[in-house]
Amino acid sequence: GAVVSQHPSWVICKSGTSVKIECRSLDFQATTMFWYRQFPKQSLMLMATSNEGSKATYEQGVEKDKFLINHASLTLSTLTVTSAHPEDSSFYICSARLAGGNEQYFGPGTRLTVT
Amino acid sequence: AQSVTQPDIHITVSEGASLELRCNYSYGATPYLFWYVQSPGQGLQLLLKYFSGDTLVQGIKGFEAEFKRSQSSFNLRKPSVHWSDAAEYFCAVGRNQAGTALIFGKGTTLSVSS
Repeated sequence: GAVVSQHPSWVICKSGTSVKIECRSLDFQATTMFWYRQFPKQSLMLMATSNEGSKATYEQGVEKDKFLINHASLTLSTLTVTSAHPEDSSFYICSARLAGGNEQYFGPGTRLTVT
Repeated sequence: AQSVTQPDIHITVSEGASLELRCNYSYGATPYLFWYVQSPGQGLQLLLKYFSGDTLVQGIKGFEAEFKRSQSSFNLRKPSVHWSDAAEYFCAVGRNQAGTALIFGKGTTLSVSS
């Protein structure tokens, strides 16, 4: 149980275009989802927290207009990287938390390469 | 602000030898502490967690960790390492009492030699 999927697993896009990454909780309802970014050989950095039905809370330094997060249902959150630049290339990981729970379940991640 | 320090960037252990990965945290109250493992191409897998109670926590794959409040540490141990344990290990602390967003350490890469 407690499986989280991400789609796509990897994506290549051209500079200036937008790309959407989906995060789904497959067998549970997640009132809260988190988006992390991981640079090569580095730690995971929290980008934003999204609660179902409300606006995401972004961490300091994360551009909310560039990284659009939507959590429209209890099983789906999306991250859209708008007007992507090569410096946005990274590994994006989502996690989901059960309502009232303290543990997060992580997706396998999405590798984004912007050319 | 909460923070997590993993002092060792890379550790090499012989197969069958014991392992200890260090983790120090900075947190004002009783922390929610986690150890995750990340293998290439795979997502983060929870090894174990500490919220309260017994300070020696047993996890999956034969791992254990000990919470030491006096040292602000939560070191991960395994008595006998297997080649399949080679991976990246992350220590994390919940950002608040509700255990919401996680603050991760920079990770320790474990290599296993034969």
